[in-house]
Amino acid sequence: DGGITQSPKYLFRKEGQNVTLSCEQNLNHDAMYWYRQDPGQGLRLIYYSHIVNDFQKGDIAEGYSVSREKKESFPLTVTSAQKNPTAFYLCATLKGGADTQYFGPGTRLTVL
Amino acid sequence: GDSVTQMEGPVTLSEEAFLTINCTYTATGYPSLFWYVQYPGEGLQLLLKATKADDKGSNKGFEATYRKETTSFHLEKGSVQVSDSAVYFCALITGGGNKLTFGTGTQLKVEL
Repeated sequence: DGGITQSPKYLFRKEGQNVTLSCEQNLNHDAMYWYRQDPGQGLRLIYYSHIVNDFQKGDIAEGYSVSREKKESFPLTVTSAQKNPTAFYLCATLKGGADTQYFGPGTRLTVL
Repeated sequence: GDSVTQMEGPVTLSEEAFLTINCTYTATGYPSLFWYVQYPGEGLQLLLKATKADDKGSNKGFEATYRKETTSFHLEKGSVQVSDSAVYFCALITGGGNKLTFGTGTQLKVEL
């Protein structure tokens, strides 16, 4: 079954703890993206990666970190430096040469 | 920079009513334009897209036409159903496919 998997669907953490959100894809897409969604706002780009071992900051990278050690995986770490981490996080992929991004089901992070 | 402006919601319609959700954009170059739909608690699904002026994207009874002269990409459907209740996002991507720019989303509620 092809697609994009994000786990877990819901995540709760205490303030000051780092937390890592998983994004896995078996579409063989080259590029992967992380977005943040807040109520009443559009999606905002956190980080993106076009190839393995390379990634770039998006518009709101502060307080986040990523890695791209495998083509299939692009985990996002929300660090304690992120001042307002409670949000819905969406991962997306893009096939090389195409213009359409495909989204995973999202992870809702709540920091208590 | 690039931007997308959508009409504010929520939009509440009766079943079988006509739907229009306005979207205008500002972009450098010649963007590709997209409508994504998000059902409650889920990720975004591509609804339709258009890649050049005067192109019409269509899917599941929804349509949108790329109007370069008015920089618009309004979403329309002739007869909405309760199952169309969701949040609709207009988005664009410019050359290189690096980054989607989203509108803030428009919530549609369809009632019997």
